[in-house]
Amino acid sequence: GENVEQHPSTLSVQEGDSAVIKCTYSDSASNYFPWYKQELGKGPQLIIDIRSNVGEKKDQRIAVTLNKTAKHFSLHITETQPEDSAVYFCAAQYSYNFGNEKLTFGTGTRLTIIP
Amino acid sequence: IAGITQAPTSQILAAGRRMTLRCTQDMRHNAMYWYRQDLGLGLRLIHYSNTAGTTGKGEVPDGYSVSRANTDDFPLTLASAVPSQTSVYFCASSVDGQETQYFGPGTRLLVL
Repeated sequence: GENVEQHPSTLSVQEGDSAVIKCTYSDSASNYFPWYKQELGKGPQLIIDIRSNVGEKKDQRIAVTLNKTAKHFSLHITETQPEDSAVYFCAAQYSYNFGNEKLTFGTGTRLTIIP
Repeated sequence: IAGITQAPTSQILAAGRRMTLRCTQDMRHNAMYWYRQDLGLGLRLIHYSNTAGTTGKGEVPDGYSVSRANTDDFPLTLASAVPSQTSVYFCASSVDGQETQYFGPGTRLLVL
């Protein structure tokens, strides 16, 4: 099966600075890597994702990079704002045959933006 | 469109009791999932269903059962609750097993 490690577990940055969260995965067959944001008391919400045929994807202040050779992917948030404070989860999707693709999640990063 | 709804929002349950957590989606998604979220362990897959009428076991299936009688509903049952099942439970769905998963708001369960 797949194993996903996520670092750091907590991260505090000054408002306006950038934040970077890193994940590594174990199975080279994984081909889809979503990032979720979870606010207190709510379910995880997809913020950005990347597939294995792409090296980088950007959506306004959020970007994700993927290095398939090294088996790691990262979330970059620029110009951080107080509303970015939340827990962020990375995940890797492993397809062992069609119709049986499962997500394995990292353990989460609690991001705090300091005003 | 409501997306995914879960009920109840929270529950306190005596050990040994039976409990069913409800999940309904109105997006006509084929695949549905149940996860539990515990501090420091992230989200772990309990059971899944690729389409109505089929179910499968995830990473932590023991003590839980599911059914998928139709496309919209995917209930999770704890036959005899134990304190280690205290957790936050999330239901999710996706168009099919290869696409983005969308999560419900969660059910917070405390087993005493």
